[in-house]
Amino acid sequence: DTEVTQTPKHLVMGMTNKKSLKCEQHMGHRAMYWYKQKAKKPPELMFVYSYEKLSINESVPSRFSPECPNSSLLNLHLHALQPEDSALYLCASSQDIGTAFVEQYFGPGTRLTVT
Amino acid sequence: GQNIDQPTEMTATEGAIVQINCTYQTSGFNGLFWYQQHAGEAPTFLSYNVLDGLEEKGRFSSFLSRSKGYSYLLLKELQMKDSASYLCALERNSGYALNFGKGTSLLVTP
Repeated sequence: DTEVTQTPKHLVMGMTNKKSLKCEQHMGHRAMYWYKQKAKKPPELMFVYSYEKLSINESVPSRFSPECPNSSLLNLHLHALQPEDSALYLCASSQDIGTAFVEQYFGPGTRLTVT
Repeated sequence: GQNIDQPTEMTATEGAIVQINCTYQTSGFNGLFWYQQHAGEAPTFLSYNVLDGLEEKGRFSSFLSRSKGYSYLLLKELQMKDSASYLCALERNSGYALNFGKGTSLLVTP
């Protein structure tokens, strides 16, 4: 199983809503990532978790709150988002971040629209 | 920042060879990745270079020159399904996260 799954595939939310994006992998990977991708732009790193601990936060606004409840799951909690936060949110995982060459496997993404 | 530059768009003919260049300005990184991304889909891994030189993988090859701050992805025997965005990415020294270039949108025509 070399798959990273993400739910939901599409999400429309208002600026006052609270929602969560979910990501799951069963490859035994110990590093998980959240990226944000705007249309016709490359993915931009948001957060990195290593062994269920947050290791990188790319100065992401606090309205985005990541959570890694166990080694297979990664959540992104959303609250009071702005329309400019509308984007494709990609989750990725890799085997380990303690060695070089860590191929990242990407999920299909959640397309988020904030109205 | 790492200033990763790629051409925005390229067009090539089915069966031909195309080279997609990537230049960067940074001193420290573990390696350089190439990913393919079809519209509306997740990026998928193509190749990785850590040492200078050419890495060959079927119809795809990637080259790295650290001294010149330059890489390229070579696609041979182009097929229509190769129409996609090709992303050059540098693997950071710490945390091993990826910094992506803006991507090159390749259109393969009959």
